[in-house]
Amino acid sequence: EPEVTQTPSHQVTQMGQEVILRCVPISNHLYFYWYRQILGQKVEFLVSFYNNEISEKSEIFDDQFSVERPDGSNFTLKIRSTKLEDSAMYFCASSRQGKGNIQYFGAGTRLSVL
Amino acid sequence: AQSVSQHNHHVILSEAASLELGCNYSYGGTVNLFWYVQYPGQHLQLLLKYFSGDPLVKGIKGFEAEFIKSKFSFNLRKPSVQWSDTAEYFCAVSNDYKLSFGAGTTVTVRA
Repeated sequence: EPEVTQTPSHQVTQMGQEVILRCVPISNHLYFYWYRQILGQKVEFLVSFYNNEISEKSEIFDDQFSVERPDGSNFTLKIRSTKLEDSAMYFCASSRQGKGNIQYFGAGTRLSVL
Repeated sequence: AQSVSQHNHHVILSEAASLELGCNYSYGGTVNLFWYVQYPGQHLQLLLKYFSGDPLVKGIKGFEAEFIKSKFSFNLRKPSVQWSDTAEYFCAVSNDYKLSFGAGTTVTVRA
């Protein structure tokens, strides 16, 4: 069964450093998403991406965040200058179609900002 | 804005017991409803979904959920749990691109 894969599984970084989290969505999916879950809190939507554009983003997704599909397979989330409060589990998801469609999730990347 | 509330933070039960997890959402329009499960060390997996039609939906691994529109609820049930059902369960709602999740319920099944 096709899966969404995320790398690395755990990323440790110093405050102020840039990090790039990587995702390989399911190959015939067209919509891509990032979510995050701070320890002990809900899974929160960050951004959705379709046709090389952001289709929706949350208030959390400020200028420090960016997403990119640099080639035909990868989908990345960049945090330019990490803060302590960015420490969280980041989940990538993809879906074949858009609104309301089933989203398939990766195993997540645990980001620890020190 | 959509919000989703799950009634139980942690449920502990014995094998063969019945399970019901509550989920309520607040949104006045048409929504799609989901239950996801996360087994220890694994990714979020879809258990079942409701888009339209029969409000009683059946999912994988013997789970089912009932959509009650008047109560804005989408409760998850399983008549007889197994030890392997130990996991975290998330209710989610969507009416656009994003999923809005509940806080999750940790279910521990004792052998």
